[in-house]
Amino acid sequence: AQKITQTQPGMFVQEKEAVTLDCTYDTSDQSYGLFWYKQPSSGEMIFLIYQGSYDEQNATEGRYSLNFQKARKSANLVISASQLGDSAMYFCAMREGFGTNAGKSTFGDGTTLTVKP
Amino acid sequence: DAGITQSPRYKITETGRQVTLMCHQTWSHSYMFWYRQDLGHGLRLIYYSAAADITDKGEVPDGYVVSRSKTENFPLTLESATRSQTSVYFCASSESSGARYEQYFGPGTRLTVT
Repeated sequence: AQKITQTQPGMFVQEKEAVTLDCTYDTSDQSYGLFWYKQPSSGEMIFLIYQGSYDEQNATEGRYSLNFQKARKSANLVISASQLGDSAMYFCAMREGFGTNAGKSTFGDGTTLTVKP
Repeated sequence: DAGITQSPRYKITETGRQVTLMCHQTWSHSYMFWYRQDLGHGLRLIYYSAAADITDKGEVPDGYVVSRSKTENFPLTLESATRSQTSVYFCASSESSGARYEQYFGPGTRLTVT
């Protein structure tokens, strides 16, 4: 069974600094996708970034990058130059690619990020 | 409006009543999902559907029923609501089952069972 672990319930970062949110995963599948979503206090879920299990390069989307270490089964989100609007809950998720559970996703419990001015 | 919508956005119901949460998407995505999010926690998958008339259980399906007669709609029914089903319910859709496809989420339904 898939499992996502986010060990940091809450994180603080100073505005304009970089922050890393940790995510480790467990799966026996060879093909999977790793995602990060942002949930602001307003409640909506916003897709941020994706990393495929076969991708050799780390994914980047603007100020977001995903530090993918396959051997360690980690997929940490790095936010550069933090902004006050980055304050939110962040979820790491994994999706299976093939087999009977293809398409199913598993989410971690999330990390609440607070950006200080 | 394009996108994925949920109704109602807020619902208060009593223990033992049946309640149906609606989800509608306009993208013709094949996959649809129902999650629940309890206070301070992540999302747990209740049911998902790969296509019309194809549904499957997720992590926490007990007490819930789904149907999908049309691609664009995926209603979730609580047959006899319990206080433990008080939660925020999110519907989501994705284009395909492939691991690279992100999910698009509805705005959520906040359900309170008294």
